[in-house]
Amino acid sequence: AQSVAQPEDQVNVAEGNPLTVKCTYSVSGNPYLFWYVQYPNRGLQFLLKYITGDNLVKGSYGFEAEFNKSQTSFHLKKPSALVSDSALYFCAVREEGNNRLAFGKGNQVVVIP
Amino acid sequence: NAGVMQNPRHLVRRRGQEARLRCSPMKGHSHVYWYRQLPEEGLKFMVYLQKENIIDESGMPKERFSAEFPKEGPSILRIQQVVRGDSAAYFCASSATGGRTDTQYFGPGTRLTVL
Repeated sequence: AQSVAQPEDQVNVAEGNPLTVKCTYSVSGNPYLFWYVQYPNRGLQFLLKYITGDNLVKGSYGFEAEFNKSQTSFHLKKPSALVSDSALYFCAVREEGNNRLAFGKGNQVVVIP
Repeated sequence: NAGVMQNPRHLVRRRGQEARLRCSPMKGHSHVYWYRQLPEEGLKFMVYLQKENIIDESGMPKERFSAEFPKEGPSILRIQQVVRGDSAAYFCASSATGGRTDTQYFGPGTRLTVL
């Protein structure tokens, strides 16, 4: 069965510093990987996805993620964090052959001014 | 282009009542997914529907929960005889196709509170 692990409950980073949010996954076959962001009392906003091709994927708001097949990881990165990036970030995976997303528990990101 | 719409945004029910949650997909989308988010947890898949068809209901509780996506109108998630454990945020997502590269876009959610 497909699953995602986001090992850190909270990530604290100073404004202007690089931000990394970690994600590892487990699937049978090819993974399709997604990052979403959730602001308080809001729905999930799509940031980026990896389907195939280049391992470095660029997305919205300056975010990017790197797919690493050997480490089964898909870490989210941003070179310079903003206070407005403070939110809950979810990694999700979908196995080839089904349509349901499996989500990690989420990482709370706090960007300190 | 309007996004995924859900209503109501907040719903309060007493134990034993019925809860009915509605979802209108993005324009041009014919695939709808329902997820539940319990406090301090990630989203859990419940059901996947196309117009007039349930494609995958592997995440739906066996009793009291049902979903539909009629030919006309929004998708409905119905919870009968609600219990306190049903209190959660329920999110609907839609996609244009069911293809493997497709992105699911989420609505703002309905926050159900059972008293």
